[in-house]
Amino acid sequence: GNSVTQMEGPVTLSEEAFLTINCTYTATGYPSLFWYVQYPGEGLQLLLKATKADDKGSNKGFEATYRKETTSFHLEKGSVQVSDSAVYFCALSEGNTGTASKLTFGTGTRLQVTL
Amino acid sequence: KAGVTQTPRYLIKTRGQQVTLSCSPISGHRSVSWYQQTPGQGLQFLFEYFSETQRNKGNFPGRFSGRQFSNSRSEMNVSTLELGDSALYLCASSLRLSGGQETQYFGPGTRLLVL
Repeated sequence: GNSVTQMEGPVTLSEEAFLTINCTYTATGYPSLFWYVQYPGEGLQLLLKATKADDKGSNKGFEATYRKETTSFHLEKGSVQVSDSAVYFCALSEGNTGTASKLTFGTGTRLQVTL
Repeated sequence: KAGVTQTPRYLIKTRGQQVTLSCSPISGHRSVSWYQQTPGQGLQFLFEYFSETQRNKGNFPGRFSGRQFSNSRSEMNVSTLELGDSALYLCASSLRLSGGQETQYFGPGTRLLVL
């Protein structure tokens, strides 16, 4: 079956540091890949997505590139802010229409950014 | 455009009771999916409804059920509540296009506590 593996957290960084959160996946076919972010006490917000190999998703300074050869979708940001402190989830959905709405999530990585 | 709304936001029940949660999707979205989030199991897919029919189902017991109405609003029901059902229940909506590349948008969740 499908699975997503994320690096363990928490990740603690100083403001303006470079961020990388690793994500690798196992899936049949050609999945779409997503990063969602969850702030304390809230639901999930879509951060970025990529639907095919070599696509780069980007939003709010965050980027991730769909790497089929390494089955990875690592999240990066050049300079983090305190307001980026949250839990980040990597997820995939299967490419075919029948199950495209079923997301498989990683365990989440908590990011703490300090001044 | 209004986002996904879920009611109630918080709920306290006792073991053996039943509960119904409600989800209103983004206007124009016809697919509604439900997820359970717990510290131990993470985010797990419960089921998806599209055009008033259950299209996909996760690995949960029959105590968990749902339905979708003609206006795409969805309800989720859990009967004979157990302590382990305490969780954040998230609803997500999407367009469910024929191409299969879906993006799901999440609501704020309903936090259920079973005593």
